[in-house]
Amino acid sequence: GENVEQHPSTLSVQEGDSAVIKCTYSDSASNYFPWYKQELGKGPQLIIDIRSNVGEKKDQRIAVTLNKTAKHFSLHITETQPEDSAVYFCAAWVHQGGKLIFGQGTELSVKP
Amino acid sequence: DTEVTQTPKHLVMGMTNKKSLKCEQHMGHRAMYWYKQKAKKPPELMFVYSYEKLSINESVPSRFSPECPNSSLLNLHLHALQPEDSALYLCASSPRGQGYNSPLHFGNGTRLTVT
Repeated sequence: GENVEQHPSTLSVQEGDSAVIKCTYSDSASNYFPWYKQELGKGPQLIIDIRSNVGEKKDQRIAVTLNKTAKHFSLHITETQPEDSAVYFCAAWVHQGGKLIFGQGTELSVKP
Repeated sequence: DTEVTQTPKHLVMGMTNKKSLKCEQHMGHRAMYWYKQKAKKPPELMFVYSYEKLSINESVPSRFSPECPNSSLLNLHLHALQPEDSALYLCASSPRGQGYNSPLHFGNGTRLTVT
């Protein structure tokens, strides 16, 4: 079946540094790629998404890049802050079945 | 605060109990979802309702029974659960019907413990 691979599974950075999380997907027909942030005791919250007709999207300190040829997309967080500490999930829309497939998650820890 | 509201926040039930989880959204979204999430794992899709009709059942055991009374409400009825069913149960909604690649909005979940 279709799948999404996400790396790394854990990431620890110093406050102020950048963090990068990478995902690859298998369904070449996928055209929608959201990123979710899940804090302890809460549900996943959408932080940014990208569609396949663009290569990059930014929203303040976060950005997502998409390479459709290589079938991978990445989340970039600049000037990290302790409140960025959470689990981040990438996802890709799979046309067969019409649903989102999630990556395994990255636990980001930002040390003050 | 999330715009998808789930109750209760926590639930402890025995294997012979019957209980229900509730989810509500007032964003006019046309699709509603149930996901199950184990610790440090991604959400796993269980059911999707699109325009109040069940459109996806991911081969979920019959001890889980979904219900969509109207476009704003989604229930998950639980009966004869097993300890391995203990997990965070997440409800989500999306603006368009199932099959359209629109963003999911999640609630904060119900933490279920089966004893």
